[in-house]
Amino acid sequence: NAGVTQTPKFQVLKTGQSMTLQCAQDMNHEYMSWYRQDPGMGLRLIHYSVGAGITDQGEVPNGYNVSRSTTEDFPLRLLSAAPSQTSVYFCASKTTLSGNTIYFGEGSWLTVV
Amino acid sequence: DQQVKQNSPSLSVQEGRISILNCDYTNSMFDYFLWYKKYPAEGPTFLISISSIKDKNEDGRFTVFLNKSAKHLSLHIVPSQPGDSAVYFCAASLMGSGGGADGLTFGKGTHLIIQP
Repeated sequence: NAGVTQTPKFQVLKTGQSMTLQCAQDMNHEYMSWYRQDPGMGLRLIHYSVGAGITDQGEVPNGYNVSRSTTEDFPLRLLSAAPSQTSVYFCASKTTLSGNTIYFGEGSWLTVV
Repeated sequence: DQQVKQNSPSLSVQEGRISILNCDYTNSMFDYFLWYKKYPAEGPTFLISISSIKDKNEDGRFTVFLNKSAKHLSLHIVPSQPGDSAVYFCAASLMGSGGGADGLTFGKGTHLIIQP
C-alpha cells in the first residue's frame, strides 16, 4: 500500500527560489494537511484541506501556498524560500472514518541556504 | 502557550524493563488523545489512542492511561525492546472539530532510548 507519498525526499534551495513539495495519497481520504517539524518544536500545522477545492491555514501558514484540485493531491508551494523554512515537512491525510487519527508521509527534508 | 507538554526530551530505559512516557495538557476540552512513534528519516506512525470516556487502552505491549482530573496521560511499553528506540509524540484533539482543522495539537516529543 502506497499510503501518503511525498516528493522530493531531500532538497536544497537558495534563498529566494521557489519550489513545490508534492503529496499524494491513494486512500481516498478527504482530509489532507502539511506539517513542519523543527528541533524542539514538535509538529506544527501549516495548511490543511477538508476536500477538493477547499483549503485553510493552520498555525504557521506564512510563506506557503497550497491548492487541492483533486482528492489525491495536495502540493505545498514555497514562493520565495527563506532560511527560516529549513525544516522537515510532513504531509498527512485522514478520513472521517478514522476519527482524528491522521496518517503521515515519510517526510521531505528541505534546506534553504 | 503550549497546550500539550512532554516535559522529558529524552528517556533511557534498559531492555526488558518498562518505559513510561508522560504527557500533560492544559485544555480540558480535549477529548481524544493519540501517541505517534517516529524513527529517524521516517514519518510519524500512529501507535495508540484513547478517548476521554476511557481511562485505559491496551494494545499488545502498549498501554495508554488517561487521568482527566490531572490532565495527564502516559504511555507504558512493557517489555521495552531495542526497536522501541524512537521519538514519541503525544497529541490531543477535539473530536468535535468536525470540518475544520484536524484539531491535533502535538507535544514536542520524547526521545526514548532502549539500552541493551
